[in-house]
Amino acid sequence: QVQLKESGPGLVQPSQTLSLTCTVSGFSLTSNSVHWVRQPPGKGLEWVGAIWSGGSTDYNSALKSRLSISRDTSKSQVFLKMNSLQTEDTAIYFCTRSGNYDWYFDFWGPGTMVTVSS
Amino acid sequence: DIQMTQSPASLSASLGETVTIECRASEDIYNGLAWYQQKPGKSPQLLIYNANSLHTGVPSRFSGSGSGTQYSLKINSLQSEDVASYFCQQYYDLTFGSGTKLEIK
Repeated sequence: QVQLKESGPGLVQPSQTLSLTCTVSGFSLTSNSVHWVRQPPGKGLEWVGAIWSGGSTDYNSALKSRLSISRDTSKSQVFLKMNSLQTEDTAIYFCTRSGNYDWYFDFWGPGTMVTVSS
Repeated sequence: DIQMTQSPASLSASLGETVTIECRASEDIYNGLAWYQQKPGKSPQLLIYNANSLHTGVPSRFSGSGSGTQYSLKINSLQSEDVASYFCQQYYDLTFGSGTKLEIK
């Protein structure tokens, strides 16, 4: 069955770089796209960025200068790197799957909490 | 960017009631809209896609409708397990509505 799971450090210092991994199973990264969505504590959902099935990427315009998403198809993993972290980047980070033509998110990982604090 | 305005922000209803949540887009999104349910401490779960298509396994008491810039999610015969936050999401720049927190009266 389709599964996604996020992993990464729970705590990052301000101005440092966040590195997260999304490991997927039950589908191929060359058939579906994977997105990152984040949710600050008690707040709403914010789309962060995506790597499409063809390998191209798109990023939230507000985060674009600090963000990079890549993948290793042989390991079924997608990577998020975000630099210059600030306290407002504290959030639960989810990876989620979409199709290639209708961009709704049909499967989600459980999420990983990232706290930016010294 | 397309703005999504979701209302109400919170809602309290009795068991068995019908509730409606709305999302308005700042421009026509041509039915490119999904609805999600998020229970406390859990990841969002897809309920409706393409404005009115029910995702696999979702109870039929959930339904979506709308067109153009106006969309709604209706929950018939409210159950205790429907206590959650609900979010709309449009496909064009992938933005979400601000959410509706649903409680039982």
